[in-house]
Amino acid sequence: AQSVTQPDIHITVSEGASLELRCNYSYGATPYLFWYVQSPGQGLQLLLKYFSGDTLVQGIKGFEAEFKRSQSSFNLRKPSVHWSDAAEYFCAVGGNNDMRFGAGTRLTVKP
Amino acid sequence: DAGVIQSPRHEVTEMGQEVTLRCKPISGHNSLFWYRQTMMRGLELLIYFNNNVPIDDSGMPEDRFSAKMPNASFSTLKIQPSEPRDSAVYFCASSHPQRGISTDTQYFGPGTRLTVL
Repeated sequence: AQSVTQPDIHITVSEGASLELRCNYSYGATPYLFWYVQSPGQGLQLLLKYFSGDTLVQGIKGFEAEFKRSQSSFNLRKPSVHWSDAAEYFCAVGGNNDMRFGAGTRLTVKP
Repeated sequence: DAGVIQSPRHEVTEMGQEVTLRCKPISGHNSLFWYRQTMMRGLELLIYFNNNVPIDDSGMPEDRFSAKMPNASFSTLKIQPSEPRDSAVYFCASSHPQRGISTDTQYFGPGTRLTVL
């Protein structure tokens, strides 16, 4: 079965700074990759997903992610973080008629 | 569209009591998922249904947990008897299968925060 690792449990960035959240996956075939965001007290919401084609994927709220097969990674990026981006971010990988979520990375945004 | 609806939003109960969590999926979605989220274990898939039929319940922790989906617009997750270690946030999600669970976007409800004293 596939697995997902998000190496960073908690990241703090200043408002306006750039952001990169790491995601590594393990899967024998071409994976289906997702990033979800969970705001406090709410359920998860899809930010973006990658199935095939262009390895740089654009999502909502100004986020993008890049699929790098050689590194088994799907890192999430944003050029300039806003205070409203403070949330928990989950990477997920689909395959084998299954979906696995990472443990999440909590983002704190400093004023 | 109202999104996925869960009730109650908060539940506090005592050990040994029966707890029932409810979920109404998005209309037209015919896959439904129950997840549990804790600090220690993260987000765990408990069970998922397709067309009201349980497809994979391997994540259900033990016999105290049961889930039903009597029709396309309603599902329950029951814990009987409840224990303090069941305290968690329980999420329901639904999707409109186009290619399968591996690829379909899941739409999550706001969750039910369960506290078992």
